[in-house]
Amino acid sequence: AQSVTQLGSHVSVSEGALVLLRCNYSSSVPPYLFWYVQYPNQGLQLLLKYTTGATLVKGINGFEAEFKKSETSFHLTKPSAHMSDAAEYFCAVSDLRKAAGNKLTFGGGTRVLVKP
Amino acid sequence: DAGVTQSPTHLIKTRGQQVTLRCSPISGHKSVSWYQQVLGQGPQFIFQYYEKEERGRGNFPDRFSARQFPNYSSELNVNALLLGDSALYLCASSLAVAGGQETQYFGPGTRLLVL
Repeated sequence: AQSVTQLGSHVSVSEGALVLLRCNYSSSVPPYLFWYVQYPNQGLQLLLKYTTGATLVKGINGFEAEFKKSETSFHLTKPSAHMSDAAEYFCAVSDLRKAAGNKLTFGGGTRVLVKP
Repeated sequence: DAGVTQSPTHLIKTRGQQVTLRCSPISGHKSVSWYQQVLGQGPQFIFQYYEKEERGRGNFPDRFSARQFPNYSSELNVNALLLGDSALYLCASSLAVAGGQETQYFGPGTRLLVL
């Protein structure tokens, strides 16, 4: 069974500071990895995803994430936080096996607060 | 192009009642998935449908059921509502089912409150 752990349910950063959100996964097979963002009272928006190839993945809004197989991690970073980055962020994993379809397993989420 | 749409946006029911939630996928998308997001938690997978067939089911009781129509829209039904069913129900669509790499696009959700 797959699982996702996001370290830190809440993160507070100053505007202009580095944003680092941690995600570790557990999977018996190489996974596909995703980061989604959820703004208040909205659905989920895809930030970026890793399927194959380059392990450093660039997404929207200046975010990027690096897949590290040896550490089973997929941490999300942004060099300089903006007030508009205040939201909840979810890391998710899906199964490579065709039979598993598109089921996403999500972490518990990390709420980001940006201080002026 | 319109994104994934869901209706209604909010719903209040009482324990024991039944509820039907609706989802229209992005045009051209043939797969629809349903997720339950309890306040303060990540979404939990309920169902996936592709070409009107169930392709995946999460760990939810039989009170939860779903179906997909020929136009690829979908309904989620929950019977005998419990207080614990209060949550944001998210629908996601994707082009197809392709071994997990397909990007899923989420709708705004239906917020269900069970009293």
